[in-house]
Amino acid sequence: EDKVVQSPLSLVVHEGDTVTLNCSYEVTNFRSLLWYKQEKKAPTFLFMLTSSGIEKKSGRLSSILDKKELFSILNITATQTGDSAVYLCVINTGTASKLTFGTGTRLQVTL
Amino acid sequence: NAGVTQTPKFQVLKTGQSMTLQCAQDMNHEYMSWYRQDPGMGLRLIHYSVGAGITDQGEVPNGYNVSRSTTEDFPLRLLSAAPSQTSVYFCASTDFTSGYEQYFGPGTRLTVT
Repeated sequence: EDKVVQSPLSLVVHEGDTVTLNCSYEVTNFRSLLWYKQEKKAPTFLFMLTSSGIEKKSGRLSSILDKKELFSILNITATQTGDSAVYLCVINTGTASKLTFGTGTRLQVTL
Repeated sequence: NAGVTQTPKFQVLKTGQSMTLQCAQDMNHEYMSWYRQDPGMGLRLIHYSVGAGITDQGEVPNGYNVSRSTTEDFPLRLLSAAPSQTSVYFCASTDFTSGYEQYFGPGTRLTVT
C-alpha cells in the first residue's frame, strides 16, 4: 500500500523563523511529488518535483526531492503570519488518479 | 475562467437522505476527481474520471456514485447518507499537459445527522 508520511504533524514558530517540513514516502511507480498549501478551503498548488537534487524555489519557499532516500523537504524562510496553513505532500504514482496524500503539517506562525 | 466550482458550500442531511454534490470546470480538463477530507485522514480519493463517459472507483467509493456525461460536469451522488459521510468534499480537475497539477474547487462541508 502506498504511504506518505509528513512530519512534524504540527509546529508553532515565531515570525521570521525558518522552518523545514518533511515528507517521506513508500510507493510503487513514483512519478512526481507535489506540495500544496491549504488554508481554510481548497489546497493551492506550490511545487511539483520529479527529479532528485533539483531545488524548486518560489519566493521564500523552496523544495527538494531525494528519490534515493524517498523524501522531500519544504523550506520556508523568514516566515510570516500568512504562511500559517496546513502543508500537504502528495505523491503521484502513475496516472493522475493515483494521488496519495499525506495527512499534512499544520504550521502556525505567531507574532 | 471560473476554474473549478462546487455547490453547495454547506449541506446538512438526515441519515438516509440522498443528494448530489455538483462540480463543474471550465478549463477543458479531461481528468476530474472527488476527494473527501477528514481530520487526521488527509484527502482520500472517492471516484475519478479520465474523460466524458468514463469513471472509476478510488480509495473510498462505497456509498457514492458518479457520472460524467460532459467534460465540464462531474456530480457526486450520495445514495443514502450516513453519519460516516460527514466530511469536507473537494472536487478537482487536472491538466495533464502541465504535469498533473490539481485544481481544486472550494469544497462542500457536509454534515449527516
